[in-house]
Amino acid sequence: DAGVTQSPTHLIKTRGQQVTLRCSPKSGHDTVSWYQQALGQGPQFIFQYYEEEERQRGNFPDRFSGHQFPNYSSELNVNALLLGDSALYLCASSYNSGTGRNTIYFGEGSWLTVV
Amino acid sequence: DAKTTQPTSMDCAEGRAANLPCNHSTISGNEYVYWYRQIHSQGPQYIIHGLKNNETNEMASLIITEDRKSSTLILPHATLRDTAVYYCIVRVHSGNTPLVFGKGTRLSVIA
Repeated sequence: DAGVTQSPTHLIKTRGQQVTLRCSPKSGHDTVSWYQQALGQGPQFIFQYYEEEERQRGNFPDRFSGHQFPNYSSELNVNALLLGDSALYLCASSYNSGTGRNTIYFGEGSWLTVV
Repeated sequence: DAKTTQPTSMDCAEGRAANLPCNHSTISGNEYVYWYRQIHSQGPQYIIHGLKNNETNEMASLIITEDRKSSTLILPHATLRDTAVYYCIVRVHSGNTPLVFGKGTRLSVIA
């Protein structure tokens, strides 16, 4: 049973550029969330996608956008990169059930360095 | 903001039980206690969760006080591979409420 998979593992971008990160959820999961983790900090919630729509959003600017595809996979896009966007970006998936099966599982993350 | 308070760091001897405390005095009746850990440079790993009864799985045990204002995660026989940051999080279990992480406890298992 494949867990949450993310790509790429590491990447380096220049200030002002745009980046796209990709995520495939755990088998059977239909909800994908993205988190940003700066060095030495806990992960911070960016947004969540369910049924191909953004359902919840944390305190992040509009430069951060996303998409969910019919197969539940997801992309995170960041435009106009700033040095402060350098972080570990984590994808997490869960199953949107009323009770029970919505424990959240994380991928290994994508390390983004902005220079 | 995170609704939990954890010690910044703890040490544990290899082979001994590691007991990680967490305070969540403002927990609501429909919120569960979750524990995740994050080994250096990896994604957070789910450990266990519970509502009010003690829970045990292959990784750990979770002890929640009767008033639910605090809990303890127990790793029965800590190994060097258990060295990680441990996060205690309270969250509504239904729906898809995001996780709100605090700073966690850095557990160092010492040989």
